[in-house]
Amino acid sequence: SQTIHQWPATLVQPVGSPLSLECTVEGTSNPNLYWYRQAAGRGLQLLFYSVGIGQISSEVPQNLSASRPQDRQFILSSKKLLLSDSGFYLCAWGRQSLNTEAFFGQGTRLTVV
Amino acid sequence: QKEVEQDPGPLSVPEGAIVSLNCTYSNSAFQYFMWYRQYSRKGPELLMYTYSSGNKEDGRFTAQVDKSSKYISLFIRDSQPSDSATYLCAGTSYGKLTFGQGTILTVHP
Repeated sequence: SQTIHQWPATLVQPVGSPLSLECTVEGTSNPNLYWYRQAAGRGLQLLFYSVGIGQISSEVPQNLSASRPQDRQFILSSKKLLLSDSGFYLCAWGRQSLNTEAFFGQGTRLTVV
Repeated sequence: QKEVEQDPGPLSVPEGAIVSLNCTYSNSAFQYFMWYRQYSRKGPELLMYTYSSGNKEDGRFTAQVDKSSKYISLFIRDSQPSDSATYLCAGTSYGKLTFGQGTILTVHP
């Protein structure tokens, strides 16, 4: 069966510090990978998605970047965090298909102070 | 206009009630639709996945899609306190999922 791991679960970082959130998927190959952000009381905003190694599509201009160094690894980064980067970050995977459901990790709650 | 609109609620019902959750969408390219359940501080969990107009049933849950009116619904029968969560609808097009903002549901004993 497929599993998705996302860490850390919670993170408190000062403004201006760097960020690296990691997500890995097991039990499948060549998945679609996604990073979403969820602000309090709001829906999920798609930040990045990837259909293959080194292929990253950005949905919104922002202070964040994503990389996919391996088939089942997806990393969300920032060089300098802003207060507005606080939120609940969710990684998800989907089957290699144009129309597929997504399966989510347990999320990282990031607080920038 | 948001691609997926969902009434955020909150919605409070007694145990055993039938719950109706609804979304509208504007993107005609959406082919597949999903409902997710999200407990507090957890990642969303896939409940239902549908790709055509009509009804799909899974236990106490029924998903309904009406592509002509761009309307999707989730019905929960015999609701339980454990159903208390945020419910998110989503449409997918070309590999991208677009979510509504979620409806907060509370089922009280």
